Amino acid sequence: AQSVTQPDIHITVSEGASLELRCNYSYGATPYLFWYVQSPGQGLQLLLKYFSGDTLVQGIKGFEAEFKRSQSSFNLRKPSVHWSDAAEYFCAGTAGNQFYFGTGTSLTVIP
Amino acid sequence: GAVVSQHPSWVICKSGTSVKIECRSLDFQATTMFWYRQFPKQSLMLMATSNEGSKATYEQGVEKDKFLINHASLTLSTLTVTSAHPEDSSFYICSAPQGDTEAFFGQGTRLTVV
Repeated sequence: AQSVTQPDIHITVSEGASLELRCNYSYGATPYLFWYVQSPGQGLQLLLKYFSGDTLVQGIKGFEAEFKRSQSSFNLRKPSVHWSDAAEYFCAGTAGNQFYFGTGTSLTVIP
Repeated sequence: GAVVSQHPSWVICKSGTSVKIECRSLDFQATTMFWYRQFPKQSLMLMATSNEGSKATYEQGVEKDKFLINHASLTLSTLTVTSAHPEDSSFYICSAPQGDTEAFFGQGTRLTVV
């Protein structure tokens, strides 16, 4: 079955520290993969996406993600976290045009 | 990029009443739209797939008579929560795919049933 897994429910980092949010996928073929961010009470904003080609994808707000086929992973990274990055982050994959979402990782940023 | 507009962004209604949520694709046509429900601190759960000109496809466990979906045009899908109860209080989000690889999400609707 197709699925996306986010192993970390909640992560706390200090402002200025680096960040990595994990995402693993299970698909029959290489899926299209996405990272979304959701602020409280808001919809989803696309951070970045991977379809094919270069396995390191750059996104908005200084985020990047690396697709690793050998590890079935698509982890999100940011070198230096800002307080405004505190939010819920969702990894998603698509087969056809139906999305499968991970359970989300809640990010807390401490001063 | 493409824009999906969802309205209202929040609504409070009395128990037993019905609430309609609209999802519009503003600058592209969407023959399919998706409706998701999100409980606090949880991920998005697909409720149903809205198909223009035909019946919606509901996920297992979703009551089709309670969550009425209409996709009357290529740019508008509506979700009506009928005879709402407090347990229907949730965050509802729609999305419209563009091609096979892209999807755009509405801003979400916070429904509170009192």
